[in-house]
Amino acid sequence: SQQGEEDPQALSIQEGENATMNCSYKTSINNLQWYRQNSGRGLVHLILIRSNEREKHSGRLRVTLDTSKKSSSLLITASRAADTASYFCATDSGNTGKLIFGQGTTLQVKP
Amino acid sequence: DAGVIQSPRHEVTEMGQEVTLRCKPISGHDYLFWYRQTMMRGLELLIYFNNNVPIDDSGMPEDRFSAKMPNASFSTLKIQPSEPRDSAVYFCASSLDPSIVPQHFGDGTRLSIL
Repeated sequence: SQQGEEDPQALSIQEGENATMNCSYKTSINNLQWYRQNSGRGLVHLILIRSNEREKHSGRLRVTLDTSKKSSSLLITASRAADTASYFCATDSGNTGKLIFGQGTTLQVKP
Repeated sequence: DAGVIQSPRHEVTEMGQEVTLRCKPISGHDYLFWYRQTMMRGLELLIYFNNNVPIDDSGMPEDRFSAKMPNASFSTLKIQPSEPRDSAVYFCASSLDPSIVPQHFGDGTRLSIL
């Protein structure tokens, strides 16, 4: 079953613009993770945010978490063509590492 | 450091045949996960192992699916007999401790059942 719903399903922007993707989930969580998937490849971990954290940064990535609204957002600043990929949020509810993934957002960055 | 290695990368076979997918996790990782990805259902966890022992197989769709981990460096996912609806990309992932560190994914096996 899908825990996370992502919005938008698809996003197309110009290089240099910022991209924002949102994820909503249903049950309480221990942590939420964001992954990237390039076409034909496996998922690559981007960032993990714990339930007691509100914001986290990693390079051009900024993740926020609002547990009261059961939602998270991923912001990619100054996007590049190489950021073109699908982005997934995944939630860990039991601190077991058993992740439930959202349907993903497909991002296209035009050069 | 080698990542998670899956084989084959592509498999095309006829309905009714047995299919075996293979995975070599990252050395030292105690956890191994098998996922299936389809357009309709997204990415679903099928089963995961800790120290070679299956912990949760609630995602395994039916008895036609089985998974084993005979040692710390090898796992298989078997489908017998295969059906067209099993067509999907199957991913293996491993982790040192998934409650605190991320999972590392292989590049998947694209399975087509004709």
